[in-house]
Amino acid sequence: NAGVTQTPKFQVLKTGQSMTLQCAQDMNHNSMYWYRQDPGMGLRLIYYSASEGTTDKGEVPNGYNVSRLNKREFSLRLESAAPSQTSVYFCAGSDRRDEKLFFGSGTQLSVL
Amino acid sequence: LAKTTQPISMDSYEGQEVNITCSHNNIATNDYITWYQQFPSQGPRFIIQGYKTKVTNEVASLFIPADRKSSTLSLPRVSLSDTAVYYCLVGDQLTGGGNKLTFGTGTQLKVEL
Repeated sequence: NAGVTQTPKFQVLKTGQSMTLQCAQDMNHNSMYWYRQDPGMGLRLIYYSASEGTTDKGEVPNGYNVSRLNKREFSLRLESAAPSQTSVYFCAGSDRRDEKLFFGSGTQLSVL
Repeated sequence: LAKTTQPISMDSYEGQEVNITCSHNNIATNDYITWYQQFPSQGPRFIIQGYKTKVTNEVASLFIPADRKSSTLSLPRVSLSDTAVYYCLVGDQLTGGGNKLTFGTGTQLKVEL
């Protein structure tokens, strides 16, 4: 039982490059979330998926797209990376019933 | 939108009880109140959750008054390893189900000898 798994753990991009952050959960969560955390700051919600087949914008969606491929997987895509997107990205899942969030270990992304 | 307000930071000494209060004036009827702990370079970790009155588990207690507009996380006899950022979350229910779970700024707790 792996919980919430994020890949990769570290990534360095050049400005303008694209990449997809992967997240998979084996906890049968209905809802999944993508957050970013800048140094010394709190977590900010980028996108979320309340259930399979639905996605919606959070607080800071600009520059990102998401795909809820199936119940297990929720990916985050940066189409044209910018230095302002340098951050740690966390994926999380929750059961709609009790809303407890379970987080992955994070992806540290640097955009040069 | 349900929004939370917490103190930015708190300092304590080992062995003391620490109480962190969170205000959530716009809490909805069906919302739970959940607290998380985050250490550097890690994702937040669930501590405790409640709906009303008092909840206690092996690591903390959560006090929620009748109007549910605030909550207090109580950490008994803190140790150095409790130095972390603590977040309270209140669900923001969506019409179609599920919740938009938004973090506030959190409280940086520093425990010293």
